[in-house]
Amino acid sequence: AQSVSQHNHHVILSEAASLELGCNYSYGGTVNLFWYVQYPGQHLQLLLKYFSGDPLVKGIKGFEAEFIKSKFSFNLRKPSVQWSDTAEYFCAVGSGSARQLTFGSGTQLTVLP
Amino acid sequence: ETGVTQSPTHLIKTRGQQVTLRCSSQSGHNTVSWYQQALGQGPQFIFQYYREEENGRGNFPPRFSGLQFPNYSSELNVNALELDDSALYLCASSLRASGGVDTQYFGPGTRLTVL
Repeated sequence: AQSVSQHNHHVILSEAASLELGCNYSYGGTVNLFWYVQYPGQHLQLLLKYFSGDPLVKGIKGFEAEFIKSKFSFNLRKPSVQWSDTAEYFCAVGSGSARQLTFGSGTQLTVLP
Repeated sequence: ETGVTQSPTHLIKTRGQQVTLRCSSQSGHNTVSWYQQALGQGPQFIFQYYREEENGRGNFPPRFSGLQFPNYSSELNVNALELDDSALYLCASSLRASGGVDTQYFGPGTRLTVL
């Protein structure tokens, strides 16, 4: 069965610092990759997705992620975080006949003003 | 464009009871997936409905069941509730594409507490 690992459970940064959140998955077939974000008190929102093509994907709010097939990784990056980026971030892999999502356990990002 | 909506927002039940959660999919979407999110964890796939039939199922017992209606809305039913069923239940809708690529959009969830 596929699994998704997010090794950073809680990350604390100051505003303007650079961000990189790790995501590794175990699945040998074709995968679709996603990052979702959950702001305090809000529902899960799609940040960005990778289906095929250019492995560097740009999403909303200045986020980007790079798919490295050889490393089974899909790390999320942002050059300069803001206080409003404080949220929980989930990496997910879509696979299977139902194209269901397998989520990592999430990374709580706290950005200090 | 109307987003995914879920009802109720919160629910408190006791062990052994049954519960029904409801989801209205985003307009234009034909597929509904349900997920369970326990505290401090990522969402776990329960099942998916497409064309009013179960289209895939995660590692959940048969007491978790569902329905999809002709208007693509959906219900999640849980029988014989257990304490461990306490969680946030998320509904996600998507447009099932022939190319095999779906993007799921999530509702706000229903918080179920089992006492």
